[in-house]
Order: sequence, then C-alpha cells, then structure tokens
Amino acid sequence: SQTIHQWPATLVQPVGSPLSLECTVEGTSNPNLYWYRQAAGRGLQLLFYSVGIGQISSEVPQNLSASRPQDRQFILSSKKLLLSDSGFYLCAWSILSGSGEQYFGPGTRLTVT
Amino acid sequence: DQQVKQNSPSLSVQEGRISILNCDYTNSMFDYFLWYKKYPAEGPTFLISISSIKDKNEDGRFTVFLNKSAKHLSLHIVPSQPGDSAVYFCAASGEAGSYQLTFGKGTKLSVIP
Repeated sequence: SQTIHQWPATLVQPVGSPLSLECTVEGTSNPNLYWYRQAAGRGLQLLFYSVGIGQISSEVPQNLSASRPQDRQFILSSKKLLLSDSGFYLCAWSILSGSGEQYFGPGTRLTVT
Repeated sequence: DQQVKQNSPSLSVQEGRISILNCDYTNSMFDYFLWYKKYPAEGPTFLISISSIKDKNEDGRFTVFLNKSAKHLSLHIVPSQPGDSAVYFCAASGEAGSYQLTFGKGTKLSVIP
C-alpha cells in the first residue's frame, strides 16, 4: 500500500531564516506530487506540483521554491522566511487516474516568529 | 476568481440527523468532483467522488449528488455521527485534461451529540 511521509510535524522559525520541508512517498512509482498551504481560516492553496523528477510548476509567485531530486521525494524550501509564510503545509500525491484523486500527508505546522 | 465555492463556512447538525454540505462551481469543464474530510492538524482524507456524467454516487453513509445544469453538488451524510465533525472540502478536477484539484474553502461540520 502507498504511504506518504512529511517532516517535521511542527516547526517554529524566525523571520529571515531558511526553510526545508521534506515529503516522501512509498509504494508507488512516478507519482504526481503537490505542495499546498492552508493559512489560518482559509482553504487549500496549491503552491507547486511536479509530474516528474526535476519538473516543477509554480502556481503562486512567492519566496518559496520546490525541488524533486528523486522520483518519490519532494522538497519545499525558502532562503528567507516571511511572517506571511506561517501556515499548515501539506504534501500530496496522485497517479494519472480519471478522478484526479490526491492523497495527503499529515502536514507540517510552520510558525514564523 | 473562485471556481469552486462553499458558501457556508459552518454547519451544526444533531447526531442521527442528515448533514447536507453544499458546493457550487463555475467551470463546466471539470470532469470529476471530490469531497475531502479534514481534522485539525491532519491532512485531508478522501471521502467520495463523482464523475460529471453521473448525478449520484453513494458509499455507505455518504452520498454525493451532482446537478450539472445548476453547477451544484452536495454531500449528504446519513446518519450524522459525532466523529463526522470536521472540515469538509469540495474539490474539482479534470479541467482541460489537468489532474490538479481546485478546492473550495471548506465547511466546518459540527455534529452535536
């Protein structure tokens, strides 16, 4: 069966510090991978998605970046965090199925102070 | 421009009664519609989906209805249980062959014992 891991679960970082969040998927090959952010009281905002190694599409211009160094690894990074980067970050995966169903990881709560 | 809208931010229902969560969309090119359930500090979990060529899909206590002419779908939960208390997200996929999901902002369901 497929599983998706995210770490860390929670993170408190000062403004201006770097960020690295990691996501790995097990039990499937060549998945589509996604990074979402849920800000307080808001819906799910798609940040990045990837259809293959080294292929990243950005949905929202910001100071975040994403990389996919391996087939089942997706990394979200920032060189300098802003207060507005606080939120709940979710990684998800999907295969090319008809419904577009995505499966989410447990999330990372990021607080920028 | 919000293509998927959940106009009710919250809903309270008595245990054992029916919960009806509503969702409207504007893009007639969506192929599939999905419902996700999310507990605090966890990733969303997939509940049920419906193809745009169907008008009803049922899975246990959960039924999704689609009215294409009105661009409206609803999720019915019968009977509602306290464990159903969560935020429910409506999502749509398949626009122009894309496997990305477009999410609504969510409805917080509270089932009162």
